[in-house]
Amino acid sequence: QVQLVESGGGVVQPGGSLRLSCAAPGFTFSSYGIHWVRLAPGKGPEWLTFVHYDGSDQHFADSVKGRFTLSRDSSRNTLFLQMNSLRTEDTAVYYCAKDARGSLDAWGKGTTVTVSS
Amino acid sequence: DIVMTQSPLSLPVTLGQPASISCRSSQSLVHSDGNTYLNWFQQRPGQSPRRLIYKVSNRDSGVPDRFSGSGSGTDFTLKISRVEAEDVGLYYCMQGTNWPWAFGQGTKVEIK
Repeated sequence: QVQLVESGGGVVQPGGSLRLSCAAPGFTFSSYGIHWVRLAPGKGPEWLTFVHYDGSDQHFADSVKGRFTLSRDSSRNTLFLQMNSLRTEDTAVYYCAKDARGSLDAWGKGTTVTVSS
Repeated sequence: DIVMTQSPLSLPVTLGQPASISCRSSQSLVHSDGNTYLNWFQQRPGQSPRRLIYKVSNRDSGVPDRFSGSGSGTDFTLKISRVEAEDVGLYYCMQGTNWPWAFGQGTKVEIK
């Protein structure tokens, strides 16, 4: 059973930055693509971004393009979502999820991001 | 971009009775490889979403057979043949055919 663990959430002021982490104990990131999805209170899920297992392919939702970037630390089997220029509307629970060819077959428990002054 | 529209947004159901959720996409979800990447997820209160159905009608391991998915092109349906108390929660459809991927708004299933 694939396990994904998000961390790095917190409270940040508008315009600030946060870096979220997605770790995968027990399986190798280098074999799978990873997505980030967020759920804001009272709203449906919003797909944000995808990175191919070798980093060669990335996609971003328009709502975060230019503000959010992806990176990875292969030695720690961890993927990072760098979030800059945060807005109040970025407040949500952020999940990383494993790609399964047109689907998401495993999700982490999520980490909460609150953007507020 | 593809827009996913679910209905109803709220679905009160009597225990043991069937339930049906509709999901429509603004464009066909048939991929150039011939597959249709339409998924259904369940989110129970206090939990992360979990996948129930992938490629329209394929049930995930451990998902009760009272859940079924059907549809084609732009119209899809998730059916619960007999609702049980543990089915309470939010249900989302999601397309993984075209970038950017997209979810429906969600349907809240509750017991009457």
